[in-house]
Amino acid sequence: GENVEQHPSTLSVQEGDSAVIKCTYSDSASNYFPWYKQELGKRPQLIIDIRSNVGEKKDQRIAVTLNKTAKHFSLHITETQPEDSAVYFCAASRGNTGNQFYFGTGTSLTVIP
Amino acid sequence: DSGVTQTPKHLITATGQRVTLRCSPRSGDLSVYWYQQSLDQGLQFLIQYYNGEERAKGNILERFSAQQFPDLHSELNLSSLELGDSALYFCASSLLAGANEKLFFGSGTQLSVL
Repeated sequence: GENVEQHPSTLSVQEGDSAVIKCTYSDSASNYFPWYKQELGKRPQLIIDIRSNVGEKKDQRIAVTLNKTAKHFSLHITETQPEDSAVYFCAASRGNTGNQFYFGTGTSLTVIP
Repeated sequence: DSGVTQTPKHLITATGQRVTLRCSPRSGDLSVYWYQQSLDQGLQFLIQYYNGEERAKGNILERFSAQQFPDLHSELNLSSLELGDSALYFCASSLLAGANEKLFFGSGTQLSVL
């Protein structure tokens, strides 16, 4: 099955700096890559996603890039704010045998004011 | 609010017991997924149902079972509970079961096995 690895496991940045979280996947058939943000004690919420026919997608301060050849994708957060502090999960899905999402182990991001 | 409702929010029980977790998907969503999140762990996929039928199975223990009812709500049954089953159990739903469906998560059920 799919194996999604996520790095780093923890990340601290100063407010205003950028944060980058990287994920790799093993199944070349995976074609959908969402990112979820989970604040302490709350449910994961979709913040951005990218499909395999797109190399980059941006939504205000967040962006995701995908390199299908290398089988890795990254989340970029610019001008970080304290409210960006949370655990971020990447996921990969191919959806052809049921919609199994394989999640990374998460990155705990702390934005220091 | 994602529109996915999970009950109860908290559950405390003893080893060897059986519990049932309930999930109501977003209105109109046909697919329900169950995930387990242990302390400092990621989201482990357990099982998926689509329109009442099992669609995909992940690392779900034989002691666990689930079903989706005609009204599309789902229940996750955990039996012969062990200390290691203590975790946050999330339900998620999506409109269909095809590729690239967006998942919407419920608030989770925190299970503590003592």
